[in-house]
Amino acid sequence: ILNVEQSPQSLHVQEGDSTNFTCSFPSSNFYALHWYRWETAKSPEALFVMTLNGDEKKKGRISATLNTKEGYSYLYIKGSQPEDSATYLCASGSGGGADGLTFGKGTHLIIQP
Amino acid sequence: SAVISQKPSRDICQRGTSLTIQCQVDSQVTMMFWYRQQPGQSLTLIATANQGSEATYESGFVIDKFPISRPNLTFSTLTVSNMSPEDSSIYLCSVGSRGQPQHFGDGTRLSIL
Repeated sequence: ILNVEQSPQSLHVQEGDSTNFTCSFPSSNFYALHWYRWETAKSPEALFVMTLNGDEKKKGRISATLNTKEGYSYLYIKGSQPEDSATYLCASGSGGGADGLTFGKGTHLIIQP
Repeated sequence: SAVISQKPSRDICQRGTSLTIQCQVDSQVTMMFWYRQQPGQSLTLIATANQGSEATYESGFVIDKFPISRPNLTFSTLTVSNMSPEDSSIYLCSVGSRGQPQHFGDGTRLSIL
């Protein structure tokens, strides 16, 4: 059974500060790690998909790293802005022919002006 | 990237009734996925819908409770049958290939009285 854990569950950050949160996942049968941003009343928006150990990806002020050997990924947000307030989901894809994802519960980020 | 139209966006239903959720994609896709998020829980895969074959259900989900149709490569429906308060959730459809970002509909927010 694949179990994806995210921490912290929620986070309050002052505008302008940088922050990061963690996703851990079983490394067996791993093939991809996804990060999504989910705002209320909207659909989850894909941020990154990473597949290789040591992968680092960046999109504006947001970046992510991947360690498949130890089974964790970090998401970093530099210089937080109010529009960064959202729930950030990570999800792992495993092998065995299945293509659906296993999601963590998410980190709910609130940026305080 | 695929654009998905999902409806209804929200509904309030009486227990014992059934609701059918529709997802329309603007391009042909092989697989469509149905997820749900119960309050405080992670997004959980219900089933994978392939055109021309029976849907593949994840552990804990059965066809009698969540029948799925996939009549063509751009459309799918999920029915939530004989609803109880435990079925109050956000239901999402998505499309995407292995190792690629998933594209989600806007979700159906379902409350059961």
